[in-house]
Amino acid sequence: EVQLVQSGAEVKKPGESLKISCKGSGYRFTSYWIAWVRQTPGKGLEWMGIIYPGDSDTRYSPSFQGQVTISVDKSISTAHLQWSSLKASDTAMYYCARPATVGGYYGMDVWGQGTTVTVSS
Amino acid sequence: QTVVTQEPSFSVSPGGTVTLTCGLSSDSVSTSYYPSWYQQTPGQAPRTLIYNTNTRSSGVPDRFSGSILGNKAALTITGAQADDESDYYCVLYMGGGISVFGGGTRLTVL
Repeated sequence: EVQLVQSGAEVKKPGESLKISCKGSGYRFTSYWIAWVRQTPGKGLEWMGIIYPGDSDTRYSPSFQGQVTISVDKSISTAHLQWSSLKASDTAMYYCARPATVGGYYGMDVWGQGTTVTVSS
Repeated sequence: QTVVTQEPSFSVSPGGTVTLTCGLSSDSVSTSYYPSWYQQTPGQAPRTLIYNTNTRSSGVPDRFSGSILGNKAALTITGAQADDESDYYCVLYMGGGISVFGGGTRLTVL
């Protein structure tokens, strides 16, 4: 079964760093891009960026460029989303997702269960 | 700034047909934007309905269909059921690996 399993909920203080993860299984991890999507409380979905595990090629939405870092460790089939200094406005649910087609950037077809990040003093 | 537009809300009667649309503030939507559609109920991860304009994701019933209507992408639900009451999001691919979500449509079945 193709799956993306995300790390557990996090509660952090402003200014702290954080790295959350998304582990793929049931498919050739290095052949599919992995995207990250944000959903702030009560709001819609926002596309953050995408990474290709095969060569770590990464693309960011202009809204998130410089705000987060997307990385991958292909040896453990895991993508990461990280912050160096969290803000209260980073409080959200974060999803990873995989496109339907090999090498394709678009049309996410597999979703992780989501990771809740709460940033509060 | 590219804006992907969706109706904020829509309602449909049980058994009825509804078409939700996905447009662009500055262009016509074509298949080159590879439109996709997602359903989300409160507290749940999004569920993929349609990708690449009109390809249904595995397990999605055929009463959900995608198309291009005029200058917009469209999601049509035929024979609406109570559990179709959800938020629906479209995504358009902008090139360079970048995609953009629409603001979502809240569908009420009543």
